[in-house]
Amino acid sequence: DGGITQSPKYLFRKEGQNVTLSCEQNLNHDAMYWYRQDPGQGLRLIYYSQIVNDFQKGDIAEGYSVSREKKESFPLTVTSAQKNPTAFYLCASSAEAVGQETQYFGPGTRLLVL
Amino acid sequence: GNSVTQMEGPVTLSEEAFLTINCTYTATGYPSLFWYVQYPGEGLQLLLKATKADDKGSNKGFEATYRKETTSFHLEKGSVQVSDSAVYFCALKGNFNKFYFGSGTKLNVKP
Repeated sequence: DGGITQSPKYLFRKEGQNVTLSCEQNLNHDAMYWYRQDPGQGLRLIYYSQIVNDFQKGDIAEGYSVSREKKESFPLTVTSAQKNPTAFYLCASSAEAVGQETQYFGPGTRLLVL
Repeated sequence: GNSVTQMEGPVTLSEEAFLTINCTYTATGYPSLFWYVQYPGEGLQLLLKATKADDKGSNKGFEATYRKETTSFHLEKGSVQVSDSAVYFCALKGNFNKFYFGSGTKLNVKP
C-alpha cells in the first residue's frame, strides 16, 4: 500500500533534549511538509521541501530543523531551542503534476514534554 | 497573498440535518481547492477537491462547488450522520507546492 508513515506515534522529550520525528513516503512525491497542530487549532507550516536536498522555512521554523537527503524521507528535529514543543506533528507529501496536486497526510506524532 | 477563511465552529446538528460549512479564499490565479476531514487523533484525509472554476467535487455525500465569482468553496451534505462528526479543513494549493489551510470547523452530529 502506498502512503505516509510517521514514527513514533507518541514521543516524550526531556528538557534540553533534541528529538527527531520520522516521516517516510512511498508515493514517489517530490514535495514533503511538516505541520504543527495545537489542541483545537489549525495547521501551521514548519518546513517544506520541494525536492531532494532543498527545503524552505515555513511560518514557525524557529526551534526546528529538517533534512531531505532522500526523496522518500523528511525527518524533523525538535531542538532544545523550541521552548513549547508539546503538539501534534503532521507530515504530508504531494506531487506537482497537474491533476495530482492533492496533499496526503501521515497519521501524526504526538510530542509531549516530561 | 493566499489565505483561506472558514466559518468558526463548533457546528452542532441533529442526525439527518443539512450541513453547510462556508469557505472563502484569497489567491492569485486559480488555485486548486480542497476539503479535508480529521478524526480525533488522526491525520487529515482528503474529502474532495476541485481544480478549476465551476468544478464540483463530491465524495461520501459531501459536495463543494468552486465558485470563482464569489471566491468560495462551501461544503454541503444533505443528511449528516453521527459518523460525520469530525473537524473539516478547507485548503488551497498556491505556488511552489505550498498549501494554505483554514482554521478548521468542528462538526458535532447528535443522534
